[in-house]
Amino acid sequence: NAGVMQNPRHLVRRRGQEARLRCSPMKGHSHVYWYRQLPEEGLKFMVYLQKENIIDESGMPKERFSAEFPKEGPSILRIQQVVRGDSAAYFCASSPSEGAYEQYFGPGTRLTVT
Amino acid sequence: GENVEQHPSTLSVQEGDSAVIKCTYSDSASNYFPWYKQELGKGPQLIIDIRSNVGEKKDQRIAVTLNKTAKHFSLHITETQPEDSAVYFCAAPGIAGNTPLVFGKGTRLSVIA
Repeated sequence: NAGVMQNPRHLVRRRGQEARLRCSPMKGHSHVYWYRQLPEEGLKFMVYLQKENIIDESGMPKERFSAEFPKEGPSILRIQQVVRGDSAAYFCASSPSEGAYEQYFGPGTRLTVT
Repeated sequence: GENVEQHPSTLSVQEGDSAVIKCTYSDSASNYFPWYKQELGKGPQLIIDIRSNVGEKKDQRIAVTLNKTAKHFSLHITETQPEDSAVYFCAAPGIAGNTPLVFGKGTRLSVIA
C-alpha cells in the first residue's frame, strides 16, 4: 500500500449528487487502475489509464461514470447522479512501467450513498 | 475472459498450524499470479506473486505453488499467527503486463490463539 494515496477516505453523498474520488499513484508510476469492491466480494476492475489516456474502460458502466488521469495531478474517478447501488469501496492501484505485472493498491475510498 | 475461483471462502486454524488457500483460473495464457492480503478497512497488500516459468516461490512463512497443467495455484502459510488473520485474494491477469487483474472472491482466514 505504501505510496498510493487516495482521498477522501470516506465520502457520503445523497442520491443524485456527484462523487469525485482522487488517486495519486506511487512515485514514478504512470499506470493507474480503478477497482470497485462490494461488501464481502472480491474486487472488480473498472478502468485502466495512463497519463492522458484511457487504455481499457471495459469494466466501467457507460453511464454516469467517467475517469481521467491528466498530465498533471491525480487520477479522478467521477460518478454523476449517484444511486444507492454505487455504495462501495473504490480502490486505485498503480504499476511502475510498461509491461509491469505488479499492482500496488491504495487504502481506498468508501462511498456511502444515502 | 479470465475467470478465477477461490476456495475455501472461510478458514479457521489454530495458531501455529498451516493454512492453504486454492485458486483455479480459466485462461491458459495467463502467466502471472499474485496474492493479496486485505485487513479490515485497508487496501489489498501484495504479499507474494509467481510467474508461470516457476512452480513454487517462498518468502519466509508464505509460499505459492503453481500447476499450469491443471490451471491452479495455492497459497501456503506455515506457523500461522494471529496477525495473519485477514481476507486473502488470489488474482490472475490476461496474457501480458499492464493487464487488469481478475480477483477471486476471497478467503477469510481466522487464526485462533
